[in-house]
Amino acid sequence: DAGVTQSPTHLIKTRGQQVTLRCSPKSGHDTVSWYQQALGQGPQFIFQYYEEEERQRGNFPDRFSGHQFPNYSSELNVNALLLGDSALYLCASSSGTGGNEKLFFGSGTQLSVL
Amino acid sequence: QKEVEQDPGPLSVPEGAIVSLNCTYSNSAFQYFMWYRQYSRKGPELLMYTYSSGNKEDGRFTAQVDKSSKYISLFIRDSQPSDSATYLCAMSAPGAQKLVFGQGTRLTINP
Repeated sequence: DAGVTQSPTHLIKTRGQQVTLRCSPKSGHDTVSWYQQALGQGPQFIFQYYEEEERQRGNFPDRFSGHQFPNYSSELNVNALLLGDSALYLCASSSGTGGNEKLFFGSGTQLSVL
Repeated sequence: QKEVEQDPGPLSVPEGAIVSLNCTYSNSAFQYFMWYRQYSRKGPELLMYTYSSGNKEDGRFTAQVDKSSKYISLFIRDSQPSDSATYLCAMSAPGAQKLVFGQGTRLTINP
């Protein structure tokens, strides 16, 4: 049973560029959440997708956007990259949106902005 | 003030010791409490999941939740070098779509 898979594993971009990160949820899961983890910090919630719609959003600017496809996979897009966007981006999947679901995380995409 | 406070450590103990990791929180709406383990350059792995107050045991791991004090703990018995990792507490409220994480405690078990 494949867990949550993310691609790419590492990415280097320069300021002002745009980036797209991809996530495939664990088999049987229909909900995808994205988190940003800065070095030495806990993950911070970006947003959650369910039924191809953004259900909740954390305190992140509109430069961060996402999409969920009919097969439940998801993309995270970040425009106009800033140095402060350098972080580990984590995708988590779950089944349903009641708030009590167990989240399963992928290994993340390490984004470096130069 | 952060919603969830966790001592970042680092914490270093000898193999076989009992480890105690703790988090405090301020949001009384939190009902679901989790502990995740994160190895270097990996995603967080769910260790323990607890609803409301009480204790939960799974092998060498015990999670405790004291909602009256807004305090949660994770105990690791007979610690092993393979337990060396960063431990993250996380919590959520009913109906909320997000987890709120602590900063993480970096733990090293010395052989």
